[in-house]
Amino acid sequence: GAVVSQHPSRVICKSGTSVKIECRSLDFQATTMFWYRQFPKQSLMLMATSNEGSKATYEQGVEKDKFLINHASLTLSTLTVTSAHPEDSSFYICSAVTGTSTDTQYFGPGTRLTVL
Amino acid sequence: EDQVTQSPEALRLQEGESSSLNCSYTVSGLRGLFWYRQDPGKGPEFLFTLYSAGEEKEKERLKATLTKKESFLHITAPKPEDSATYLCAVGPSGSARQLTFGSGTQLTVLP
Repeated sequence: GAVVSQHPSRVICKSGTSVKIECRSLDFQATTMFWYRQFPKQSLMLMATSNEGSKATYEQGVEKDKFLINHASLTLSTLTVTSAHPEDSSFYICSAVTGTSTDTQYFGPGTRLTVL
Repeated sequence: EDQVTQSPEALRLQEGESSSLNCSYTVSGLRGLFWYRQDPGKGPEFLFTLYSAGEEKEKERLKATLTKKESFLHITAPKPEDSATYLCAVGPSGSARQLTFGSGTQLTVLP
C-alpha cells in the first residue's frame, strides 16, 4: 500500500517550453500532496504544499507563476514548469499523505528534468 | 527556526560492521520524526516514524530510536544492499504536516 507514481520519469525540453509532471496516489486518496526539488548531493527542498480543491501554498522564494500546481482530485496533482530555463533543471519529487490521522509522507520515484 | 543535522555526512562500513547514524533536531514542538532511505535517482522510501522520546522501531537490520534531542538509526550487520543515503526529517507541530529534512548520511557497505 501507499504507492505514489510520477510521470514522466525523465524529460528533456528546450528552453522556453513548458513541462507538466504528474503525481498520482495509486492505492489511497491523498488530501495533501507536496512537491520537492532536489539538487545533486543535496537534500529535499520543499517547493509547495498542495491540498485537493484549493490553491497550493508555496514556500518562500518559489515563484508560483513559474511552478503551477494543480490538485484537482484526491489522487492526482500536477506540477507545470512554465517557460523552463536551464537553471530549472533538477530532480522533482512529489509526496502524499495517506490520511488525516497520519503525517507520514510517501514519495514518488521522482522526475529528472533537463532543460537545454 | 527548525533545524535537522545529520552525521556523519558519509560512512563506509565493511559488510557485517554495525554502526549508527545520528540525527539531531531543534523544533518548536515535535509532531513526528521520520527516517527515509534514498537510492540514487529515486524518491525516498519510508522506513520509520517515531513520535515520542523512548520510542524504538525495528525493520530487518535497522533500528530507530528517539530522544528529546536526537534520533539514531542503528544498522546491525549491514549488507552491501543497505548502501544508500539515509534521510531524517522532522514534522514540527503547527506546520500543516510539512517536513524539514536533514542533509542525509550517505552509507556505503563494502563486501
